[in-house]
Amino acid sequence: AQSVSQHNHHVILSEAASLELGCNYSYGGTVNLFWYVQYPGQHLQLLLKYFSGDPLVKGIKGFEAEFIKSKFSFNLRKPSVQWSDTAEYFCAVNAPGRDDKIIFGKGTRLHILP
Amino acid sequence: SAVISQKPSRDICQRGTSLTIQCQVDSQVTMMFWYRQQPGQSLTLIATANQGSEATYESGFVIDKFPISRPNLTFSTLTVSNMSPEDSSIYLCSVEGRGRYEQYFGPGTRLTVT
Repeated sequence: AQSVSQHNHHVILSEAASLELGCNYSYGGTVNLFWYVQYPGQHLQLLLKYFSGDPLVKGIKGFEAEFIKSKFSFNLRKPSVQWSDTAEYFCAVNAPGRDDKIIFGKGTRLHILP
Repeated sequence: SAVISQKPSRDICQRGTSLTIQCQVDSQVTMMFWYRQQPGQSLTLIATANQGSEATYESGFVIDKFPISRPNLTFSTLTVSNMSPEDSSIYLCSVEGRGRYEQYFGPGTRLTVT
């Protein structure tokens, strides 16, 4: 069965620090990969996605993620975080060759200190 | 993107009772999904609801406990039946986005069972 692991449950950074949130998945076939974000009091929303092509994916608000197939990883990065990036971040995977389900990780709660 | 509303936004219920959660979308969608997010856990798919057919339940979830209705292309309900404290969770409705594997999420219903 597919699974998604997010290694950091709670991350605290100061503004302007660089961010990298880890995500690993377990599935050997073709995958679609996602990062979702939930800002305080708001809906869960899509931050970026990878389906195919360039493994370095750019998303909204300066975020990017790199798909490394050999490592089964899809880490989220941002070179310089802002206080407004405080949110919970969820990595998710879908295996289109199997079904339409999206499997989510447990989430990483990011807190940016002003 | 689709705008999704859920009612109620939160509720506190007594053990043994049932609660029906409503999900309304501002556009017609084929597939709607219901998720559960328990404290400290990832989002777990309960079922997929297509209009005009029975909902498809994931392993560990049954229709008797979580009956779902999907009367039209913009509306669905999820009932949590015979509740116990273990059912305390956030219940989220989502719909397919522009891309087949993208999803838009509602604000969630926070349920506490005492």
